[in-house]
Amino acid sequence: GAGVSQSPRYKVAKRGQDVALRCDPISGHVSLFWYQQALGQGPEFLTYFQNEAQLDKSGLPSDRFFAERPEGSVSTLKIQRTQQEDSAVYLCASSLVRTGNTGELFFGEGSRLTVL
Amino acid sequence: GQQLNQSPQSMFIQEGEDVSMNCTSSSIFNTWLWYKQDPGEGPVLLIALYKAGELTSNGRLTAQFGITRKDSFLNISASIPSDVGIYFCAGLPNAGNNRKLIWGLGTSLGVNP
Repeated sequence: GAGVSQSPRYKVAKRGQDVALRCDPISGHVSLFWYQQALGQGPEFLTYFQNEAQLDKSGLPSDRFFAERPEGSVSTLKIQRTQQEDSAVYLCASSLVRTGNTGELFFGEGSRLTVL
Repeated sequence: GQQLNQSPQSMFIQEGEDVSMNCTSSSIFNTWLWYKQDPGEGPVLLIALYKAGELTSNGRLTAQFGITRKDSFLNISASIPSDVGIYFCAGLPNAGNNRKLIWGLGTSLGVNP
């Protein structure tokens, strides 16, 4: 499709398991963002890529969270040793803008993670 | 993290009514944006504002970038059932890391047909 695609849409993990969430941005979009959205909250910034370079990872809540975009297109967000507080919707967004950030983002449908 | 103050938290109106919601910040923002999120979907951009005082329309939606650069409002005229959803304001602050969009908590809108 033409939009941002995320998989899986839903993931249930037992506490302590590792999970991997995938994002396929819009073709040609240089910038890619990951956000975390807790229930009843707005999205919170996790990390930002420009092509394959991770330029900002200041929003990652702990060293259990790791993101990569090795070829500058598809990105994976990995969460190791999941905890219950990791339960949230993880949103991926892409943007055509190369420099800075206009805030005009195209979001995927999100991956809802539930940690039991 | 830092969040914008968005109000009202929720509202329920009759179809055909106009609705207004706003967003404020204690600090200056360079950009204000309004997004709408439907259940199970990601946010979709409605309007982007880049200059203080700017008033922009998108169909039945009108938004303004406050002159103080610390607030913005969104108006929806002649509401219809498909306007139902959560409306988020978001902004890029003047200071610090301007890649980090700061978000409000959202305004949940219900429309009674």
